[in-house]
Amino acid sequence: VQLVQSGAEMRKPGASVNVSCKASGYTFTDYYMHWVRQAPGQGLEWMGIIYPDDGRIRYAQKWQGRVTMTRDPSTRTVYMELRSLMSEDTAVYYCAREPPAAATRFDSWGQGTLVTVSS
Amino acid sequence: SYVLTQPPSVSVAPGQTARITCGGDNIGSKSVHWYQQKPGQAPVLVVYDDSDRPSGIPERFSGSNSGNTATLTISRVEAGDEADYYCHVWDSSSDPYVFGTGTKVTVL
Repeated sequence: VQLVQSGAEMRKPGASVNVSCKASGYTFTDYYMHWVRQAPGQGLEWMGIIYPDDGRIRYAQKWQGRVTMTRDPSTRTVYMELRSLMSEDTAVYYCAREPPAAATRFDSWGQGTLVTVSS
Repeated sequence: SYVLTQPPSVSVAPGQTARITCGGDNIGSKSVHWYQQKPGQAPVLVVYDDSDRPSGIPERFSGSNSGNTATLTISRVEAGDEADYYCHVWDSSSDPYVFGTGTKVTVL
């Protein structure tokens, strides 16, 4: 199992960023995918979930309206777009896989993508 | 929303036992998962469903959960266990996937 994320990004305040996570080594549509954020020196923060089979999504309240998660089963890739970036969005963003049947645990993680927001 | 509270830090000598607590309202009724995160690395699942271990995780890592406290126990601590540890549960609230505040384990 591998989750490989796109590389580090630098953006100015107000811009948007799109982070990708390409899955391999398992049946893509069988597992849910999450995005988790970690600001510098801080803890883990859940952002949302996407169901790769049908594209259903659920976002954490904090990011409603600012985040969009999508998936492309043909390339086994999920995407997370964050808009209206602020300096406080500087963080490492992880994708993480959840096994099916409401397992609720994250059994595999991407390597993380550092997003830096600075003017 | 549901809150999970962990001690900021735990210090332990090599060979001794480290216990990391995770407090939450009636957490004993939930399935608790634990992750280890070393500096500059992604988190790794070390215990799930309170006390199960993924393949490849040493038996030195164990978990328990009752009442308002879940505990991750690391026996015979090694220098390589030095890391941040996070608990994690699913809750039927608006933001259902909840992480604890994290505990830094220092091996003396």
